[in-house]
Amino acid sequence: EVQLVQSGAEVKKPGESLKISCEGSGYSFTTYWIGWVRQIPGKGLEWMGIIYPGDSDTRYSPSFQGQVTISADKTINTAYLQWSSLKASDTAIYYCASQYTTWGSWGRGTLVTVSS
Amino acid sequence: EIVMTQSPATLSVSPGERAALSCRASQNVRSNLAWYQQKPGQAPRLLIYGASTRATGIPARFSGSGSGTEFTLTISSLQSEDFAIYYCQQYDNWPPGYTFGQGTKLEIK
Repeated sequence: EVQLVQSGAEVKKPGESLKISCEGSGYSFTTYWIGWVRQIPGKGLEWMGIIYPGDSDTRYSPSFQGQVTISADKTINTAYLQWSSLKASDTAIYYCASQYTTWGSWGRGTLVTVSS
Repeated sequence: EIVMTQSPATLSVSPGERAALSCRASQNVRSNLAWYQQKPGQAPRLLIYGASTRATGIPARFSGSGSGTEFTLTISSLQSEDFAIYYCQQYDNWPPGYTFGQGTKLEIK
């Protein structure tokens, strides 16, 4: 069974750093792209970027370039999304998704709340 | 960036009736178009990929059509569990990157 298990909810203050994770299992993690999608509460879905765990080739949407860093550790089948300095506007649910089954496999999401 | 425009924003339909949701791309995305269903508190669920191929386990009442810039998701006979928000998404190439439509809320009439 294909699974993407995301790390738990986070509550952070503006200016703090954060790294959330997405661990894949049940398929060849290194040979399918992993993507990150943002959903601000009550709003739509936005692609942030994708990474190929096999060689860490990473691509960002223009809106998120320079705002976040996407990485992966293929030895532990895990992708990451990180911020160096969070803003209140980063409050959202962040989903990871796998290209396996043509982007049909999704994590349950990680809620990130940024508040002073 | 490829802009995806969905219409209508809200669609009110009675159970048992047919619903047709539209999605337009600002440039040619070939057949690299997916449809997702999202219910409150849940991750998106893939319904259709390749514009017209049902994902595993998706009932036959869901069908997709179109290519290039115009796409349609049709639900032939609405069940109570189908009332949700539906998003189209193009995955043609990166760059410029994948994009979602703004969503269509399917509500009970």
